[in-house]
Amino acid sequence: DGGITQSPKYLFRKEGQNVTLSCEQNLNHDAMYWYRQDPGQGLRLIYYSQIVNDFQKGDIAEGYSVSREKKESFPLTVTSAQKNPTAFYLCASSTDRDYGYTFGSGTRLTVV
Amino acid sequence: EDQVTQSPEALRLQEGESSSLNCSYTVSGLRGLFWYRQDPGKGPEFLFTLYSAGEEKEKERLKATLTKKESFLHITAPKPEDSATYLCAGSGWTSGSRLTFGEGTQLTVNP
Repeated sequence: DGGITQSPKYLFRKEGQNVTLSCEQNLNHDAMYWYRQDPGQGLRLIYYSQIVNDFQKGDIAEGYSVSREKKESFPLTVTSAQKNPTAFYLCASSTDRDYGYTFGSGTRLTVV
Repeated sequence: EDQVTQSPEALRLQEGESSSLNCSYTVSGLRGLFWYRQDPGKGPEFLFTLYSAGEEKEKERLKATLTKKESFLHITAPKPEDSATYLCAGSGWTSGSRLTFGEGTQLTVNP
């Protein structure tokens, strides 16, 4: 079955450490997105990519970086510059045809 | 700037007690209004897309409607398994494929 796979499900980061969250899709979708979700807040867009080798900053890109070397993969790196990284991170993908997103199951990142 | 606002933040219902969730939107050139269901610790699950005012879509106990300023998610005779957070999102012609999400309504249905 097609879908989006995020890994790991839980991730712990030490102060000053960079960590990378994985997102892989086999839906043949062109566009991919990273959102951050905090308690009591809606989903906030970090980065998105509409085509391989191209990506754009979302509303809260500071302290994050991405790459899009393959259509299937859109990894997110949370750098040490991100001062409050503890959150639930969601990856999504979409086609232009219906604009709806398919979401992964999320990665919960905690700073220890 | 596109904005989506959901109300109420939280809603408690008794099993069988019908109600509605509200989503107010300010989206330039609406391409689509989306509803998702999210269970705790999981990614959102797609429910509906509405494209134009007057459109309605149904799925089991849920019906979504759209006006020029709002969307409603009507829940008829809810069951405990309908308990979840319901998210509304809008996409406009100026935002490309980006969705702007509301903060969600956390629904609890008590048996």
